[in-house]
Amino acid sequence: AQSVTQLGSHVSVSEGALVLLRCNYSSSVPPYLFWYVQYPNQGLQLLLKYTSAATLVKGINGFEAEFKKSETSFHLTKPSAHMSDAAEYFCAVTSDPTGNQFYFGTGTSLTVIP
Amino acid sequence: NAGVTQTPKFRILKIGQSMTLQCTQDMNHNYMYWYRQDPGMGLKLIYYSVGAGITDKGEVPNGYNVSRSTTEDFPLRLELAAPSQTSVYFCASRGPGAPTDTQYFGPGTRLTVL
Repeated sequence: AQSVTQLGSHVSVSEGALVLLRCNYSSSVPPYLFWYVQYPNQGLQLLLKYTSAATLVKGINGFEAEFKKSETSFHLTKPSAHMSDAAEYFCAVTSDPTGNQFYFGTGTSLTVIP
Repeated sequence: NAGVTQTPKFRILKIGQSMTLQCTQDMNHNYMYWYRQDPGMGLKLIYYSVGAGITDKGEVPNGYNVSRSTTEDFPLRLELAAPSQTSVYFCASRGPGAPTDTQYFGPGTRLTVL
């Protein structure tokens, strides 16, 4: 069985501050992990993904995430928050070799305070 | 390219009514997916298709039906609408490459069942 836990349904940071969004996964086999962003009234967009290559993954808009197997974590970070980063962020996992069965976390809403 | 389009954007149904949510992609993707997103929850997979004529159940298929007669279209049918089906529905598609290739999401259909 696979699952994803996102700690903190709401995170607020000041503009220019570090963004840290937490994701822990549960998987009995090596997982593929993803971060998606959802802006209001839009569909999800892929930020970055871990596919068993480098453990530190860089994505779009200055975001990056580090896969830590020992901690079963895949936290999302950005050194300096921008107002445009305000959105809902979802962590997702799949261990399905066909890539068809995805499991999403419940999401973290990021607010950026000017 | 329009990407993934969904119609309608909004719909209110009465209990017991039926409707079809439309999804079309113009990227010639083999894989297509239907998800539902409930408030405060992550996305859950309803059905998916690996190509025209081939569909399979996801995590929450009850109360829904799908068909895939063409590569472009993947409609989702609700036969007897229930309040529990009030949700935002997202369609997504993925190309024929690696299982971890990006899923492209449509803008969603917001459905309310009263």
